[in-house]
Amino acid sequence: QKEVEQNSGPLSVPEGAIASLNCTYSDRGSQSFFWYRQYSGKSPELIMFIYSNGDKEDGRFTAQLNKASQYVSLLIRDSQPSDSATYLCAVNVDDMRFGAGTRLTVKP
Amino acid sequence: GAVVSQHPSWVICKSGTSVKIECRSLDFQATTMFWYRQFPKQSLMLMATSNEGSKATYEQGVEKDKFLINHASLTLSTLTVTSAHPEDSSFYICSASRDSGAFFGQGTRLTVV
Repeated sequence: QKEVEQNSGPLSVPEGAIASLNCTYSDRGSQSFFWYRQYSGKSPELIMFIYSNGDKEDGRFTAQLNKASQYVSLLIRDSQPSDSATYLCAVNVDDMRFGAGTRLTVKP
Repeated sequence: GAVVSQHPSWVICKSGTSVKIECRSLDFQATTMFWYRQFPKQSLMLMATSNEGSKATYEQGVEKDKFLINHASLTLSTLTVTSAHPEDSSFYICSASRDSGAFFGQGTRLTVV
């Protein structure tokens, strides 16, 4: 079992819709969780981090964490074509481990 | 967020030559930095963990004699691709971690001809 698993996609949503990206992790000792966005040909950039169970909102982005289910998600409200990118989930135990990423396409 | 600077952003070199890539943390000290490689449309692959003042830790399958890592100070790690070959052509990215997450350099696109 991979340490961090994501559906590779592609996930396609229409402009203005909610995009839901999911991630599961295997190590119950994981303490911090991160979402990165990577545009094609660019390096990843940090969008959000979350440490506690529940929701954390930042603008159009909401991260949700459920440690009991070992599940973390990212919701993007009012999706825009500029949100089209690969989204990487990362989990920090002793070091940072990344999922393979989910490719999101927002269609105008 | 923290700033990590990587240089050069792209490089073309001849087969058999060596290329050095620098990674600097500009506004914080990083005792540990990470080097990744990413092929087109594939996920990030961790190559090695660079530790300040000690030897790097390489992931399985990564040749440590080919990918030389030096972490000479708390703000600088270098990756040298020695005797580069066309199959080494890839996007190389460094990162440094803080409590608020890992921050990435801009990446270096290496093309070996």
